[in-house]
Amino acid sequence: NAGVTQTPKFQVLKTGQSMTLQCAQDMNHNSMYWYRQDPGMGLRLIYYSASEGTTDKGEVPNGYNVSRLNKREFSLRLESAAPSQTSVYFCASRSPTSGSISYNEQFFGPGTRLTVL
Amino acid sequence: RKEVEQDPGPFNVPEGATVAFNCTYSNSASQSFFWYRQDCRKEPKLLMSVYSSGNEDGRFTAQLNRASQYISLLIRDSKLSDSATYLCVVTLYNQGGKLIFGQGTELSVKP
Repeated sequence: NAGVTQTPKFQVLKTGQSMTLQCAQDMNHNSMYWYRQDPGMGLRLIYYSASEGTTDKGEVPNGYNVSRLNKREFSLRLESAAPSQTSVYFCASRSPTSGSISYNEQFFGPGTRLTVL
Repeated sequence: RKEVEQDPGPFNVPEGATVAFNCTYSNSASQSFFWYRQDCRKEPKLLMSVYSSGNEDGRFTAQLNRASQYISLLIRDSKLSDSATYLCVVTLYNQGGKLIFGQGTELSVKP
């Protein structure tokens, strides 16, 4: 199992450009998440998808859109990139709730380091 | 006020030391509690869940005080490999499993 994979690993954009960050998981998880991590701010939730076909806003959704393409894939799109979106982006998926110790454990991808000039 | 607050550190300790991290959360509806570990420029990984009765995993002990809305992590006999950032994490009841992260406490264990 590859777990959670993200592409690309690094990206540099100019202000106003658009791009899509890709995320896929092979653990058959229902829920998937997108976070951004900035120095001194911790991880902040951008969007999440509780199940295939549903998406909801998190704490910092402005400037982003998401697509839950199928159960495996959850993409994050920046329509018009801004310097404030320079960050490290993590995708995560959550193990099913089963009353086990792994309840609510989220598995993270390796991250995408995005710089917007 | 941030929902989850931690001392950002860094904590610089010698090998073999005992170190404690503290975390407070503001929402009394917080349901589940965790410590995640994040190595430099890597993704966060679950270290341990935190239970009301307190729990231990080898050299790591986690405590929860719901009345004071306080979580702690104690690391005994620190190893060089413990150097990382430790993230305090909570979830709220019926919120789709969303995790709320503290900003993390950086630990550096020196020889």
